Amino acid sequence: AQTVTQSQPEMSVQEAETVTLSCTYDTSESDYYLFWYKQPPSRQMILVIRQEAYKQQNATENRFSVNFQKAAKSFSLKISDSQLGDAAMYFCAYYGGSQGNLIFGKGTKLSVKP
Amino acid sequence: SQTIHQWPATLVQPVGSPLSLECTVEGTSNPNLYWYRQAAGRGLQLLFYSVGIGQISSEVPQNLSASRPQDRQFILSSKKLLLSDSGFYLCAWSRQGPNVLTFGAGSRLTVL
Repeated sequence: AQTVTQSQPEMSVQEAETVTLSCTYDTSESDYYLFWYKQPPSRQMILVIRQEAYKQQNATENRFSVNFQKAAKSFSLKISDSQLGDAAMYFCAYYGGSQGNLIFGKGTKLSVKP
Repeated sequence: SQTIHQWPATLVQPVGSPLSLECTVEGTSNPNLYWYRQAAGRGLQLLFYSVGIGQISSEVPQNLSASRPQDRQFILSSKKLLLSDSGFYLCAWSRQGPNVLTFGAGSRLTVL
């Protein structure tokens, strides 16, 4: 069965600095998708970034980028120029071809210090 | 554009009482629909998902059930709530296939 592991329950970053959140996953599939979702205090889940496994190029969305290492089954999220509004829970998620749903990690709580 | 509505936002229920959480999606047809539960300090646990009317897949055995009476309506129910049912429930939809899930605003359930 596929699993998603986020080994950092909590992280902290200074405003304007860069932080990297870790995510590893386990799968035997070759075609799949990976996502990072953000859940601010409002608890609304918001998509941050998406990566298709068949693409070698790392996805980027403004200040958010990923480091996708397919062989290592690693999918980390880098947040550059951190802002106070980035403070939230961040969830890594996996979608494979054999199931019809997302599998989530347990999340990393990110604090941003002014 | 597509929107997803979920209600009620907050619910306090006694143990043994019934439950009904409703979720509707607008602006799309034949969506995949999902119910997730998020317990305090934990990640998201998939409860049910549906790829079409009347098609429900259950991921976790429990006293909850789900129904999809219409294409864009997904209901989470229980006949008798347990204390352990307390949590934050999220409905989500996606297009068929490996697409982005869009979540509702969530329903906070407290069972006393």
